[in-house]
Amino acid sequence: KNEVEQSPQNLTAQEGEFITINCSYSVGISALHWLQQHPGGGIVSLFMLSSGKKKHGRLIATINIQEKHSSLHITASHPRDSAVYICAAPSGGGADGLTFGKGTHLIIQP
Amino acid sequence: ETGVTQSPTHLIKTRGQQVTLRCSSQSGHNTVSWYQQALGQGPQFIFQYYREEENGRGNFPPRFSGLQFPNYSSELNVNALELDDSALYLCASSSRSTYNEQFFGPGTRLTVL
Repeated sequence: KNEVEQSPQNLTAQEGEFITINCSYSVGISALHWLQQHPGGGIVSLFMLSSGKKKHGRLIATINIQEKHSSLHITASHPRDSAVYICAAPSGGGADGLTFGKGTHLIIQP
Repeated sequence: ETGVTQSPTHLIKTRGQQVTLRCSSQSGHNTVSWYQQALGQGPQFIFQYYREEENGRGNFPPRFSGLQFPNYSSELNVNALELDDSALYLCASSSRSTYNEQFFGPGTRLTVL
């Protein structure tokens, strides 16, 4: 079964700062998900990536399959980026669901 | 194209009761996964349905059961509710597997008293 670890658990930064959230996993996979969850529960899929880098607006996700590591970056952070960011990987071991990290609670202060 | 919807949004039950939660998958998606998210925790995989068959299960007891219908909508049933079942229940639809992008519903907040 995949184990997914995220860091940091909590992050407070000033508006405009460059943000990095890290994710590592234990079982080799071919795709990893980055998700965003706002207070109240709704989860939005930000990226699904299997290699290299993806960019969407101010969000960039990278993955290194060999090192079993992924990062989510936010450039020019804004208070509306405040949310919980979660990485998730296929569980493996016969269970075809996702294993989630515990999430990074990000607060961007104006 | 409609997104993933869940009903009800909130629900209060008492210990020992049974509950049914519903999920309508995104148009064109034949796979639905259910997750339980306790307060302050990451979601935990309950099970997945693909073309009306259970296609994988996490570490949840048999009193958690499900169904998927021919239109790929899905139900999660929980019998003999316990206090620890209080959580946000999320469903996600996708095209076949977790290697494809997952589209999440808004969740159902279940409180067991």
